[in-house]
Parts: sequence; C-alpha cells; structure tokens
Amino acid sequence: GQQVMQIPQYQHVQEGEDFTTYCNSSTTLSNIQWYKQRPGGHPVFLIQLVKSGEVKKQKRLTFQFGEAKKNSSLHITATQTTDVGTYFCAGRSGYALNFGKGTSLLVTP
Amino acid sequence: KAGVTQTPRYLIKTRGQQVTLSCSPISGHRSVSWYQQTPGQGLQFLFEYFSETQRNKGNFPGRFSGRQFSNSRSEMNVSTLELGDSALYLCASSLDWSTGELFFGEGSRLTVL
Repeated sequence: GQQVMQIPQYQHVQEGEDFTTYCNSSTTLSNIQWYKQRPGGHPVFLIQLVKSGEVKKQKRLTFQFGEAKKNSSLHITATQTTDVGTYFCAGRSGYALNFGKGTSLLVTP
Repeated sequence: KAGVTQTPRYLIKTRGQQVTLSCSPISGHRSVSWYQQTPGQGLQFLFEYFSETQRNKGNFPGRFSGRQFSNSRSEMNVSTLELGDSALYLCASSLDWSTGELFFGEGSRLTVL
C-alpha cells in the first residue's frame, strides 16, 4: 500500500537558521497537505498542494510539490521560536490518506 | 464558528474494558474521520464517515469501530482494550475528506493500564 516517508524525524536549529522537511511517497499523489502540531496541541492545516511542480509561500514558509507528484518539501526561512512543533505531510492517493510520521522542530533562541 | 469538539479529553481504562469516544464536527461538515496518534507510529487513519456511512477504513482490527449520526456527530468504540491502544485519538471534520482540509479536535487521550 501507499506509504509516506518523512525526514528528518527531528531537527534542532538555532533561531534564525533555516529548516527543511521532506516527504516522499511510494505512489503518485493526487494532492498533499501539510499540518503543524504544537506541543500538547492538535494538528492544524497549513496548506494543500495539488499541481505538479507547485510552489506556494506563506510568509517564511515555502511549500513545494514535486514534478512527479511523489514528493514534497516544506522550507522555513529564518526560524523563530514560534515555529516549534511537529510538521506533518499527508498524501492522498485515491481514497487513501497517509500521514508521514512528522518532523519535530526545536528552535533555541 | 465552533471548532471540532471531542469528549472526553482524558480517560483511563484497564485491559479488557471498552471505551467510546465522541466527536462533534464543525457545523455543516458532513465528513468525520478518526486517527490514532502514538509517538512510535505517528498519525494513523482509522476510518472516515460521511452522511452516516463509513466510506474509508484504515488497517486496524475489528475491535475498532465507529458510527455517525444524522446530525454528523460521530463516535468511535474500542472493545477489549489492550495496552497498545494507549494513544491520542483525534477526530477531524471536513466539507470533503477526499479533497479538503481537515479540522482536528483537541483529541481524547486514552491510557490503558
């Protein structure tokens, strides 16, 4: 079945450094979504990518969907302490929805 | 508008017991999906309901079941609890599960002793 792998599992950065998390699917995806979960909180929707090669930006966050629609990335420029949390990708293929295991980001001032 | 409401927020059960969790979706959302979140396995899809019908099901044993009522509220039940069922159970509602964003509730944290 479809699997979504997400790396790295953890990332510890100094405030101001950049951060990137990657998702790779074993199958072609119809769309991919990204969620953020703060410690002790619940996942909150960030964005959805649908088109091959799509790039979307939200302030310091840049999301990309690969040309083959099998991989995606989230890049944060100049991290801030408010970026702390776990970032999940969720890939859809048919009726299947599979979450990556997430990348936990720790930002130290 | 009100978000997704899950009850209870915390509960402790012993092995062999059963548990029922409740989820009230955002008004107007007819799709409700359930997920199990554990540190080792991440977020795993349990099932999804739309207009009282289960449309999709994840790879969990039959001890995990759910239902949806005519007002879109949903419940999930876990019977014959095992230690490994300890997890955060998250419910999410959406206008269209297959294409739209998911709005998650705060979750129900289950501890099985």
